[in-house]
Amino acid sequence: QSALTQPRSVSGSPGQSVTISCTGTSSDVGGYNYVSWYQQHPGKAPKLMIYDVSKRPSGVPDRFSGSKSGNTASLTISGLQAEDEADYYCCSYAGSYTDVVFGGGTKLTVL
Amino acid sequence: QLQLQESGPGLVKPSETLSLTCTVSGGSISSSSYYWGWIRQPPGKGLEWIGSIYYSGSTYYNPSLKSRVTISVDTSKNQFSLKLSSVTAADTAVYYCARHGTEPDPWGQGTLVTVSS
Repeated sequence: QSALTQPRSVSGSPGQSVTISCTGTSSDVGGYNYVSWYQQHPGKAPKLMIYDVSKRPSGVPDRFSGSKSGNTASLTISGLQAEDEADYYCCSYAGSYTDVVFGGGTKLTVL
Repeated sequence: QLQLQESGPGLVKPSETLSLTCTVSGGSISSSSYYWGWIRQPPGKGLEWIGSIYYSGSTYYNPSLKSRVTISVDTSKNQFSLKLSSVTAADTAVYYCARHGTEPDPWGQGTLVTVSS
């Protein structure tokens, strides 16, 4: 059960778009359409932003979108806003509900 | 809506056992569609899944922690609990409880547990 690989940091200016990648293997990201993404502000619990690769929970702006190709999933945030500055974590189902693997996290800086 | 709340000591001595409880409100822990899990986050670091339990009592643990972890459930109180034995400073972290199917959600607010003498 190895962690998924994410870039340590990404940045963008307000109004721009950024994409965060999440690379796993055929045993997790590539094997199932169950990738989720979480936003975490300092001192707060992670908030679900994307589930099942590309679905958005109620209340999450449509500026947030998810996709997957092979063993790599991606989170794209368009129309960057200051409040999007946070840490983002990907998570993948890996064969059972009890097999949960996270990415190492990506710090998004809004310039 | 479903809410989870962690509780337990914020300070544990090295070599002792860390004990936390997660209280579920707004829904039943006996739901057949979900597992209930513990996830931790050391200061400044990423998320690590610790383990999960089904309402029937079936447990599943992260292999790296399996020898020290026990998760239990009390359906009458709508709670599940975590015990982590022989703790060291490396176990200092914010501990979260969460419901999960194919993804953990929702999460509790988290509780910081510091291992120090």
